[in-house]
Amino acid sequence: SAVISQKPSRDICQRGTSLTIQCQVDSQVTMMFWYRQQPGQSLTLIATANQGSEATYESGFVIDKFPISRPNLTFSTLTVSNMSPEDSSIYLCSVEADWGQYFGPGTRLTVT
Amino acid sequence: AQKVTQAQTEISVVEKEDVTLDCVYETRDTTYYLFWYKQPPSGELVFLIRRNSFDEQNEISGRYSWNFQKSTSSFNFTITASQVVDSAVYFCALSEASGTYKYIFGTGTRLKVLA
Repeated sequence: SAVISQKPSRDICQRGTSLTIQCQVDSQVTMMFWYRQQPGQSLTLIATANQGSEATYESGFVIDKFPISRPNLTFSTLTVSNMSPEDSSIYLCSVEADWGQYFGPGTRLTVT
Repeated sequence: AQKVTQAQTEISVVEKEDVTLDCVYETRDTTYYLFWYKQPPSGELVFLIRRNSFDEQNEISGRYSWNFQKSTSSFNFTITASQVVDSAVYFCALSEASGTYKYIFGTGTRLKVLA
């Protein structure tokens, strides 16, 4: 299994600002994923991030709003840009490893 | 299109009762994977099991067991002798076996185990 850490674990941000979330894995992985979990809801995939290529975004998510970087095989960042209260969610990164996807502890974002 | 349905939104049981969480899936793929994850109140997602579409054997791990039936497109999860620590939201997920590894999650079942 992979050990994944995320920073920050939580944050409260003002409307209109941006927040960058970091995801660090303890081993090299090809595919990393970013999910959003709105309060009381299921997980929705935002994008898939492969090292050395542009992230692939799911329907309803765009690069201008959620830019992603993947500079190497153990690290990725997700930025939530120009935030609104509707962006208040848990953001989780995950990696495909061994038997399935392993998830980070999540970043709880509240936008006021 | 792929879809995962967890019809039970919330279940409450008394400690030591057995409880089954239902999961029904839809896919056109002949090869796919099914998963269960646990999300305790702390928020992290804990991987519980993966089952591939060619393996219909039931699985038991301690108090947990899983029943996979392709004929009914179901992958149900049973907790035997439930404990308060089992209280969490449980998600069932489906992924295709190749390509994007994209997971489709169900809406989750919140399990409350009362002491």
